[in-house]
Amino acid sequence: QKEVEQNSGPLSVPEGAIASLNCTYSDRGSQSFFWYRQYSGKSPELIMSIYSNGDKEDGRFTAQLNKASQYVSLLIRDSQPSDSATYLCAVDSNYQLIWGAGTKLIIKP
Amino acid sequence: EAGVTQSPTHLIKTRGQQATLRCSPISGHTSVYWYQQALGLGLQFLLWYDEGEERNRGNFPPRFSGRQFPNYSSELNVNALELEDSALYLCASSLRESQETQYFGPGTRLLVL
Repeated sequence: QKEVEQNSGPLSVPEGAIASLNCTYSDRGSQSFFWYRQYSGKSPELIMSIYSNGDKEDGRFTAQLNKASQYVSLLIRDSQPSDSATYLCAVDSNYQLIWGAGTKLIIKP
Repeated sequence: EAGVTQSPTHLIKTRGQQATLRCSPISGHTSVYWYQQALGLGLQFLLWYDEGEERNRGNFPPRFSGRQFPNYSSELNVNALELEDSALYLCASSLRESQETQYFGPGTRLLVL
């Protein structure tokens, strides 16, 4: 059974600080990794994808991938109250996405 | 470009009834995925359709079924509704050549009384 693990949180971060979200996965063959943001009562929204080891930056967001250690992380710089949401990690495995349960992030003003 | 659309937005049914949920993918997307998300829980994969065929199925009983039409829109049917079927049902679509990059619709909130 392929798995994706995330700390459920909540993770509380002061406004303006860096929020760090982590995800580990079990399928060593996975090639594609995704971070989705889900506001309460809304549908998930794709914010980052990463396919190669290393860092990928997009605005205030940086995704980090380490295939040898089987983890992927998301850093949010200069955290804003509007970043408060649940962040879902998804990993491809045999042509389908395996989803983590999500980490609830709270940005405190 | 229009996103994934779902209807209805809310649906109230009683135990034992049937529910039909609909999804229209992004134009050009051939794959449609259905997920169930119970309150406070993670996404549970239900079904994957591509080019009109069921490609994969999650760990749900047979009373959860669906189909995909020639225009790639899709229907999810839930028969013999149970109270625990109350959840947000999400549809996502993707391009055939990047099936793992999924874009979600707003969801249908199903309440079973």
